[in-house]
Amino acid sequence: QVQLVQSGAEVKKPGASVWVSCKTSGYTFPSYDISWVRQAPGQGLEWMGWISNYNGNTNYAQNLQGRVTVTTDTSTNTAYMELRSLRSDDTAVYYCARGGGSTGQGLDYWGQGTLVTVSS
Amino acid sequence: QSVLTQPPSVSGAPGQRVTISCTGSSSNIGASYDVHWYQQLPGTAPKRLIYGNNNRPSGVPDRFSGSKSGTSASLAITGLQAEDEADYYCQSYDSSLSVVVFGGGTKLTVL
Repeated sequence: QVQLVQSGAEVKKPGASVWVSCKTSGYTFPSYDISWVRQAPGQGLEWMGWISNYNGNTNYAQNLQGRVTVTTDTSTNTAYMELRSLRSDDTAVYYCARGGGSTGQGLDYWGQGTLVTVSS
Repeated sequence: QSVLTQPPSVSGAPGQRVTISCTGSSSNIGASYDVHWYQQLPGTAPKRLIYGNNNRPSGVPDRFSGSKSGTSASLAITGLQAEDEADYYCQSYDSSLSVVVFGGGTKLTVL
């Protein structure tokens, strides 16, 4: 079955960077895009960006441009999200999900989420 | 401020029917991009509920249905059950921003 398993919770200081990994299994990794979505405490879902596993193209939310990078490693079927220059308002649960862009399938499978806490 | 607008909350008694609206614009829903709906139970990851405007993944009860018209979409839930109490989000794609967009979410309370 399709699974997306994310790395564990992180606590970071303001200004630092964080990497979150998303290991996938149960499907042909190169055939699907990967998206990243975050959710601040008590808030709604915020799309961060996606990567096309077809051609490696990426697209990011405007408010995160320059601070976020999404990559994939097809040898390990793993996606990564790096967020730099962390601020307190980056404290959120970060999710990876299969799918992206204007696909008619939406985001069909999700990781369990990774809590990133930014605090001095 | 979300690009897609949802009511913050809706409620209904067990067995009743509720609808959740999702209003967009000519650059997203109105541009014929598909609308998808997600259910998020407390403390869990979102789960895809409806895709491609009105399609249910296997395992989703037929009490849940989606529709789309013009620049808006709706999620209908019939025969409300206590376990339907959750947050619901619509999602589409915006061509003017070239990004995926979510609604702000709607909290469903089963009275």
